[in-house]
Amino acid sequence: GQQLNQSPQSMFIQEGEDVSMNCTSSSIFNTWLWYKQDPGEGPVLLIALYKAGELTSNGRLTAQFGITRKDSFLNISASIPSDVGIYFCAGQDSGYALNFGKGTSLLVTP
Amino acid sequence: EPEVTQTPSHQVTQMGQEVILRCVPISNHLYFYWYRQILGQKVEFLVSFYNNEISEKSEIFDDQFSVERPDGSNFTLKIRSTKLEDSAMYFCASQGPGAYEQYFGPGTRLTVT
Repeated sequence: GQQLNQSPQSMFIQEGEDVSMNCTSSSIFNTWLWYKQDPGEGPVLLIALYKAGELTSNGRLTAQFGITRKDSFLNISASIPSDVGIYFCAGQDSGYALNFGKGTSLLVTP
Repeated sequence: EPEVTQTPSHQVTQMGQEVILRCVPISNHLYFYWYRQILGQKVEFLVSFYNNEISEKSEIFDDQFSVERPDGSNFTLKIRSTKLEDSAMYFCASQGPGAYEQYFGPGTRLTVT
């Protein structure tokens, strides 16, 4: 599958801070999805993006589909301890198979 | 809220043995997937299944792997002769008609000894 570069690899922040993470690809994607994974559990869908330039929010989460269709970012505002986990971006190109990034590990201290 | 379920949660098997991992997708969904995640690594696509046949598969999904939807609710992944490197979390996902979102189950941890 296509190589997705997700950054940063890890973040260590204080409760209340805002967080930003992004994914880039050398090729175009038709759909971007953002997932959160807690240890030992399956990925949980946070936000799905379908159109270039689309900006979508889900509570304190905001994600955007880059206009070049090769990147996406996820912002978390006013972080709380339960935001701790690994965040994955995933893209779909011509088929339905999801191509995942390597994840951003988020740690939040009270 | 409907969710994908998987059994067992943990399977330990000896190298060379066959294993069957089971999934119950969300009831009105039509597209089904298996992914795996080796410890500490990213989630990797294995296979997609639609209309009772494989629609896509990755290089990982070789002849040792097979999938089946034996009835209207279950979706299974069989590994015919397990290898040590098959040790991973295996996730089932399903997708509804006319949608792109894939919903994942909690996973089965497969340990091959």
